[in-house]
Amino acid sequence: DGGITQSPKYLFRKEGQNVTLSCEQNLNHDAMYWYRQDPGQGLRLIYYSQIVNDFQKGDIAEGYSVSREKKESFPLTVTSAQKNPTAFYLCASSGGFQETQYFGPGTRLLVL
Amino acid sequence: AQSVTQLDSQVPVFEEAPVELRCNYSSSVSVYLFWYVQYPNQGLQLLLKYLSGSTLVKGINGFEAEFNKSQTSFHLRKPSVHISDTAEYFCAVRRKNQGGKLIFGQGTELSVKP
Repeated sequence: DGGITQSPKYLFRKEGQNVTLSCEQNLNHDAMYWYRQDPGQGLRLIYYSQIVNDFQKGDIAEGYSVSREKKESFPLTVTSAQKNPTAFYLCASSGGFQETQYFGPGTRLLVL
Repeated sequence: AQSVTQLDSQVPVFEEAPVELRCNYSSSVSVYLFWYVQYPNQGLQLLLKYLSGSTLVKGINGFEAEFNKSQTSFHLRKPSVHISDTAEYFCAVRRKNQGGKLIFGQGTELSVKP
Protein backbone atom coordinates (compact mmCIF):
# COMPACT_ATOMS: atom_id res chain seq x y z
CA ASP A 1 0.00 0.00 0.00
CA GLY A 2 1.21 3.49 -0.83
CA GLY A 3 1.13 6.04 1.89
CA ILE A 4 2.77 8.01 4.64
CA THR A 5 3.79 6.37 7.89
CA GLN A 6 4.73 8.11 11.12
CA SER A 7 6.27 6.53 14.17
CA PRO A 8 5.88 6.20 17.00
CA LYS A 9 2.17 6.87 17.55
CA TYR A 10 2.92 8.19 21.06
CA LEU A 11 6.23 9.58 22.31
CA PHE A 12 7.26 10.71 25.76
CA ARG A 13 10.00 13.25 26.32
CA LYS A 14 11.87 13.96 29.51
CA GLU A 15 12.98 17.50 30.24
CA GLY A 16 16.23 18.38 28.47
CA GLN A 17 15.97 15.45 26.09
CA ASN A 18 15.97 15.56 22.28
CA VAL A 19 13.51 13.24 20.57
CA THR A 20 13.12 12.32 16.90
CA LEU A 21 9.85 11.68 15.10
CA SER A 22 9.94 9.53 12.00
CA CYS A 23 8.10 10.18 8.73
CA GLU A 24 8.39 7.87 5.72
CA GLN A 25 6.52 7.96 2.42
CA ASN A 26 6.47 5.52 -0.50
CA LEU A 27 4.49 7.77 -2.83
CA ASN A 28 7.61 8.98 -4.66
CA HIS A 29 6.72 12.53 -3.62
CA ASP A 30 9.37 15.25 -3.88
CA ALA A 31 8.04 17.59 -1.19
CA MET A 32 7.54 16.84 2.50
CA TYR A 33 6.25 18.91 5.42
CA TRP A 34 5.97 18.92 9.21
CA TYR A 35 3.04 20.54 11.01
CA ARG A 36 2.25 21.00 14.65
CA GLN A 37 -1.36 20.83 15.84
CA ASP A 38 -2.56 22.35 19.11
CA PRO A 39 -6.19 22.39 20.25
CA GLY A 40 -8.13 25.30 18.77
CA GLN A 41 -5.19 26.54 16.68
CA GLY A 42 -5.36 24.51 13.51
CA LEU A 43 -2.09 23.35 12.00
CA ARG A 44 1.12 25.39 11.87
CA LEU A 45 4.03 24.69 9.54
CA ILE A 46 7.34 23.80 11.23
CA TYR A 47 9.63 22.87 8.33
CA TYR A 48 9.27 21.84 4.71
CA SER A 49 11.48 20.28 2.07
CA GLN A 50 10.97 20.66 -1.66
CA ILE A 51 13.68 18.20 -2.65
CA VAL A 52 16.31 15.92 -1.17
CA ASN A 53 19.10 17.68 0.76
CA ASP A 54 17.13 20.92 0.95
CA PHE A 55 14.70 22.26 3.54
CA GLN A 56 13.30 25.58 4.75
CA LYS A 57 11.90 26.91 8.00
CA GLY A 58 8.19 27.32 8.35
CA ASP A 59 6.34 29.60 10.74
CA ILE A 60 7.38 27.96 14.02
CA ALA A 61 10.80 26.36 13.41
CA GLU A 62 12.44 27.43 16.69
CA GLY A 63 13.34 24.43 18.83
CA TYR A 64 13.07 21.96 15.95
CA SER A 65 15.45 20.52 13.38
CA VAL A 66 15.05 18.31 10.31
CA SER A 67 17.09 16.45 7.71
CA ARG A 68 16.26 15.21 4.22
CA GLU A 69 18.96 12.74 3.21
CA LYS A 70 16.58 10.43 1.34
CA LYS A 71 13.56 11.21 -0.80
CA GLU A 72 11.28 8.98 1.24
CA SER A 73 12.29 10.15 4.71
CA PHE A 74 11.94 13.46 6.58
CA PRO A 75 12.63 13.02 10.32
CA LEU A 76 11.85 15.82 12.79
CA THR A 77 13.90 16.33 15.96
CA VAL A 78 12.30 18.16 18.84
CA THR A 79 15.21 19.65 20.76
CA SER A 80 15.48 20.64 24.41
CA ALA A 81 15.18 24.26 23.24
CA GLN A 82 11.50 23.67 22.46
CA LYS A 83 9.94 24.62 25.78
CA ASN A 84 6.38 23.62 24.99
CA PRO A 85 6.63 20.47 22.87
CA THR A 86 3.38 18.80 23.88
CA ALA A 87 1.32 18.60 20.67
CA PHE A 88 0.16 16.39 17.84
CA TYR A 89 2.72 16.33 15.01
CA LEU A 90 1.64 15.67 11.44
CA CYS A 91 3.83 14.89 8.46
CA ALA A 92 2.62 15.49 4.91
CA SER A 93 3.93 15.04 1.40
CA SER A 94 3.07 16.22 -2.10
CA GLY A 95 4.18 15.21 -5.57
CA GLY A 96 5.61 18.64 -6.19
CA PHE A 97 5.78 21.74 -4.08
CA GLN A 98 2.62 23.14 -5.65
CA GLU A 99 0.61 19.95 -5.55
CA THR A 100 -1.97 18.66 -3.10
CA GLN A 101 -0.63 17.59 0.29
CA TYR A 102 -1.45 14.23 1.84
CA PHE A 103 -1.04 13.56 5.54
CA GLY A 104 0.29 10.78 7.73
CA PRO A 105 -1.49 9.47 10.86
CA GLY A 106 0.42 11.70 13.30
CA THR A 107 2.56 11.35 16.42
CA ARG A 108 1.42 12.62 19.79
CA LEU A 109 4.31 13.97 21.89
CA LEU A 110 3.89 14.22 25.64
CA VAL A 111 6.27 15.58 28.24
CA LEU A 112 7.01 13.60 31.40
CA ALA B 1 -0.93 38.24 4.51
CA GLN B 2 -3.30 35.36 4.14
CA SER B 3 -5.66 34.18 6.83
CA VAL B 4 -8.42 31.63 7.08
CA THR B 5 -11.39 31.95 9.40
CA GLN B 6 -13.71 29.10 10.22
CA LEU B 7 -16.67 30.87 11.68
CA ASP B 8 -17.91 28.10 13.96
CA SER B 9 -15.68 26.18 16.35
CA GLN B 10 -18.40 23.61 17.07
CA VAL B 11 -21.45 22.56 15.07
CA PRO B 12 -23.90 20.10 16.69
CA VAL B 13 -26.46 18.58 14.36
CA PHE B 14 -28.88 15.68 14.35
CA GLU B 15 -28.42 12.69 12.08
CA GLU B 16 -29.93 13.09 8.59
CA ALA B 17 -30.08 16.88 8.94
CA PRO B 18 -28.21 19.15 6.50
CA VAL B 19 -25.06 20.91 7.60
CA GLU B 20 -22.93 23.84 6.45
CA LEU B 21 -19.45 24.53 7.78
CA ARG B 22 -18.33 28.06 7.02
CA CYS B 23 -14.92 29.19 5.83
CA ASN B 24 -13.79 32.67 4.84
CA TYR B 25 -10.33 33.64 3.69
CA SER B 26 -8.43 36.83 3.09
CA SER B 27 -5.82 37.10 0.40
CA SER B 28 -4.68 39.75 -2.02
CA VAL B 29 -3.87 37.14 -4.65
CA SER B 30 -5.65 34.16 -6.16
CA VAL B 31 -5.71 31.04 -4.05
CA TYR B 32 -6.38 27.33 -4.14
CA LEU B 33 -8.83 26.07 -1.50
CA PHE B 34 -9.06 22.80 0.40
CA TRP B 35 -11.19 21.04 2.98
CA TYR B 36 -9.67 18.28 5.12
CA VAL B 37 -11.33 16.00 7.69
CA GLN B 38 -9.68 14.64 10.83
CA TYR B 39 -11.12 11.76 12.84
CA PRO B 40 -10.00 11.48 16.49
CA ASN B 41 -6.28 10.80 16.90
CA GLN B 42 -5.76 10.43 13.16
CA GLY B 43 -4.15 12.41 10.37
CA LEU B 44 -5.96 14.67 7.92
CA GLN B 45 -7.81 13.26 4.93
CA LEU B 46 -8.52 15.39 1.87
CA LEU B 47 -12.27 15.90 1.36
CA LEU B 48 -12.18 18.16 -1.68
CA LYS B 49 -10.27 20.95 -3.37
CA TYR B 50 -10.88 23.91 -5.63
CA LEU B 51 -8.11 24.68 -8.11
CA SER B 52 -10.02 26.21 -11.04
CA GLY B 53 -13.12 25.75 -13.18
CA SER B 54 -16.58 25.11 -11.75
CA THR B 55 -17.10 26.87 -8.44
CA LEU B 56 -19.12 23.94 -7.08
CA VAL B 57 -16.78 21.17 -6.05
CA LYS B 58 -17.87 17.68 -5.07
CA GLY B 59 -15.79 15.59 -2.71
CA ILE B 60 -15.82 12.29 -0.90
CA ASN B 61 -18.47 11.08 1.53
CA GLY B 62 -21.20 13.21 -0.09
CA PHE B 63 -19.65 16.57 0.79
CA GLU B 64 -19.52 19.55 -1.56
CA ALA B 65 -18.25 23.11 -1.35
CA GLU B 66 -18.85 26.29 -3.28
CA PHE B 67 -16.16 28.84 -4.04
CA ASN B 68 -17.50 32.39 -3.88
CA LYS B 69 -14.82 34.79 -5.00
CA SER B 70 -16.77 37.98 -4.27
CA GLN B 71 -17.43 36.88 -0.70
CA THR B 72 -14.05 35.13 -0.35
CA SER B 73 -15.80 32.09 1.04
CA PHE B 74 -15.56 28.33 0.57
CA HIS B 75 -18.34 26.82 2.66
CA LEU B 76 -18.66 23.04 3.03
CA ARG B 77 -22.09 21.40 2.83
CA LYS B 78 -23.73 18.02 3.13
CA PRO B 79 -27.47 17.51 2.61
CA SER B 80 -27.83 14.67 5.12
CA VAL B 81 -25.20 13.80 7.74
CA HIS B 82 -24.44 10.48 9.38
CA ILE B 83 -23.07 9.65 12.81
CA SER B 84 -19.84 8.67 11.06
CA ASP B 85 -19.35 12.27 9.88
CA THR B 86 -18.50 13.27 13.45
CA ALA B 87 -14.98 14.70 13.14
CA GLU B 88 -13.01 17.92 12.93
CA TYR B 89 -12.98 19.76 9.62
CA PHE B 90 -10.26 22.11 8.45
CA CYS B 91 -10.38 24.67 5.68
CA ALA B 92 -7.03 25.61 4.10
CA VAL B 93 -5.75 27.95 1.40
CA ARG B 94 -2.64 28.10 -0.70
CA ARG B 95 -1.56 31.02 -2.84
CA LYS B 96 -1.32 30.34 -6.55
CA ASN B 97 2.25 30.35 -7.87
CA GLN B 98 3.62 30.73 -4.37
CA GLY B 99 4.65 27.22 -3.55
CA GLY B 100 3.23 24.63 -1.22
CA LYS B 101 2.60 26.53 2.02
CA LEU B 102 -0.90 25.79 3.33
CA ILE B 103 -2.63 28.16 5.71
CA PHE B 104 -5.18 26.41 7.90
CA GLY B 105 -8.24 27.63 9.72
CA GLN B 106 -8.73 26.79 13.38
CA GLY B 107 -11.04 23.87 12.63
CA THR B 108 -14.74 23.14 13.12
CA GLU B 109 -15.82 20.24 15.28
CA LEU B 110 -18.88 18.58 13.76
CA SER B 111 -20.87 16.51 16.22
CA VAL B 112 -23.68 14.39 14.76
CA LYS B 113 -26.22 13.18 17.29
CA PRO B 114 -28.75 10.36 16.85
